[in-house]
Amino acid sequence: AAGVIQSPRHLIKEKRETATLKCYPIPRHDTVYWYQQGPGQDPQFLISFYEKMQSDKGSIPDRFSAQQFSDYHSELNMSSLELGDSALYFCASSQYGTDKLFFGSGTQLSVL
Amino acid sequence: SQQGEEDPQALSIQEGENATMNCSYKTSINNLQWYRQNSGRGLVHLILIRSNEREKHSGRLRVTLDTSKKSSSLLITASRAADTASYFCATGVNNNAGNMLTFGGGTRLMVKP
Repeated sequence: AAGVIQSPRHLIKEKRETATLKCYPIPRHDTVYWYQQGPGQDPQFLISFYEKMQSDKGSIPDRFSAQQFSDYHSELNMSSLELGDSALYFCASSQYGTDKLFFGSGTQLSVL
Repeated sequence: SQQGEEDPQALSIQEGENATMNCSYKTSINNLQWYRQNSGRGLVHLILIRSNEREKHSGRLRVTLDTSKKSSSLLITASRAADTASYFCATGVNNNAGNMLTFGGGTRLMVKP
C-alpha cells in the first residue's frame, strides 16, 4: 500500500538559507499535518491543511510557511534558517472523518 | 504546555517480560493513540482508543484509558528484542478538518535478548 512520501530524506543547509520540504499524502487523503521533532524531543505540531486550506496552526515560526496544492501534496517552506531549526520534520496524512494519522519517514534537516 | 506526558522516560527489560508505559494528559480529548518510533525513523501507528472506550487490545498490545484521571497505559506482553523503540502517546482532538494530535514525551524501551 502506498504510504506518505517525504522528500528529501536528508537536507543540509547553512544559517540564513532557505529550505523547502515536500510531502505527498496517501492517495485519497485530504488532510496533511506537519510536525517538527528536535533531538530527543517529542513531535511538535506545526500546521495542518484540509482540502488545500489551512485548518490548524501550532508552534510554527513566522519564518516558516506551508501550503497544500491542488493534487493534495504539501510543501513546508523555511526561510532564514537558524541552528535551532535542525530537526526531523514529519508529514502525516489522514482522510477526513478518520482519526488515524499516517506518518512519512521524515526529512532530517541539519542547519550548520 | 505539553498535553501528554509519559512515564517512565526510559524502561529496560528482559525479553519475555511485560512492559508498561503510562501517559497523562491535561485537556479533553476525542481519542488517544500510541505510536512507535525506531531511532530517527518515522512514527508508526500502533493503536487508537476513543474517549468512550476503556480498554482495547491488538495482538500483544493492551491499552487502557481512564478519562476521569486523564491517563492511559500501554502494555506490551511477552516483549521481544524487536520491540526496542520509543513509544509515544498522542491525544487527538477532532476539529473542523481532521484529528490534531499532540504528542507526549515518549518512553524509550529497551528489550534485552
